[in-house]
Amino acid sequence: DQQVKQNSPSLSVQEGRISILNCDYTNSMFDYFLWYKKYPAEGPTFLISISSIKDKNEDGRFTVFLNKSAKHLSLHIVPSQPGDSAVYFCAASAPLISGAQKLVFGQGTRLTINP
Amino acid sequence: DAGVTQSPTHLIKTRGQQVTLRCSPKSGHDTVSWYQQALGQGPQFIFQYYEEEERQRGNFPDRFSGHQFPNYSSELNVNALLLGDSALYLCASSWTGDEQYFGPGTRLTVT
Repeated sequence: DQQVKQNSPSLSVQEGRISILNCDYTNSMFDYFLWYKKYPAEGPTFLISISSIKDKNEDGRFTVFLNKSAKHLSLHIVPSQPGDSAVYFCAASAPLISGAQKLVFGQGTRLTINP
Repeated sequence: DAGVTQSPTHLIKTRGQQVTLRCSPKSGHDTVSWYQQALGQGPQFIFQYYEEEERQRGNFPDRFSGHQFPNYSSELNVNALLLGDSALYLCASSWTGDEQYFGPGTRLTVT
């Protein structure tokens, strides 16, 4: 049961243009969403997050949009740079009685920025 | 400021053997989580440790166990290794509910 889905395994974008990565989720209890970037031979690096009480969060070139009714979020990167080429993971968490934060990840989207 | 560190980097084991992986959290972090990432998949939550106790567990069998020490470092133990346990094992640390920061992982190969 894949609660977080990234349906595009790969995406290729021209340098300077906008990259849009998409993520869908099924669990309505998720209230916190994150994007991580992963380079080969490294662990995932936290990029940006959004709480379910917001519909947009911006940090420099990165903006995350959340559409709760559609259970969909997206990451926009503007402008795209060659160093943005990596695998991007969408993750979500729901409040747990234990107080723990258990992240549920999508399968990842490989973004390639072409010069 | 050192980030999350993990050891060893790579490990090769035989079916049926036992393995221990180690993690040192980022300075100031008190919570450690472990994830398993199979090839082509996203990381899957194994368990989370806080105040030296397992606070939450994912859908992994009892062969997977862990420990957190008073200095917040952690170990992941896997007994009776199966071929399907071959994966990248990621440790993540956080300060009580904040964003999780990941280490580089340990690549485990079971033959």
